[in-house]
Amino acid sequence: DADVTQTPRNRITKTGKRIMLECSQTKGHDRMYWYRQDPGLGLRLIYYSFDVKDINKGEISDGYSVSRQAQAKFSLSLESAIPNQTALYFCATRSGTGVRDTQYFGPGTRLTVL
Amino acid sequence: SQKIEQNSEALNIQEGKTATLTCNYTNYSPAYLQWYRQDPGRGPVFLLLIRENEKEKRKERLKVTFDTTLKQSLFHITASQPADSATYLCALDGDYQLIWGAGTKLIIKP
Repeated sequence: DADVTQTPRNRITKTGKRIMLECSQTKGHDRMYWYRQDPGLGLRLIYYSFDVKDINKGEISDGYSVSRQAQAKFSLSLESAIPNQTALYFCATRSGTGVRDTQYFGPGTRLTVL
Repeated sequence: SQKIEQNSEALNIQEGKTATLTCNYTNYSPAYLQWYRQDPGRGPVFLLLIRENEKEKRKERLKVTFDTTLKQSLFHITASQPADSATYLCALDGDYQLIWGAGTKLIIKP
């Protein structure tokens, strides 16, 4: 089984709808991240969490919210989806225990907002 | 703020040749730099990490160099194969996150 899973893998929705993307991990990592990826742009950080009680905004948090339900679960919500939120969304984890704490990514969710 | 530049144009390389990808950064030298591979529709996968006090790091056919004077890292794939075709991302450590380049698409032609 994959260490980092995301659901759904693909979602098409309409403007104004509320959408939740879910992420689960079995790596036991404390740090979890939500990114979006657009063609020609690097991964941009939406929110990150260092543990269940520590949630922080990234560079592009407007229009998004998150919930860290447990160490293993981190959900991203779009309260009222708009077309420019159409993108590929990735969840990632990181052990955070040292300089070798690389990130482990989920398979991504392709979101289309019509 | 730290910015990362990777060649946005696809790099076409003949099978068997060495592919070299470039990652340039603009501000402070990071403590370490990472390279990831991303296949279409999938999440990035970690390949190599190099620290600021390391000039070179190797893993099988992969080699990464780190020049803090030039503010540049080079990523080499020797004896390239069509299966190496993918987008390669570099990332630097920031205050609380990794800072990512947009990636370079590598195409290895048979």
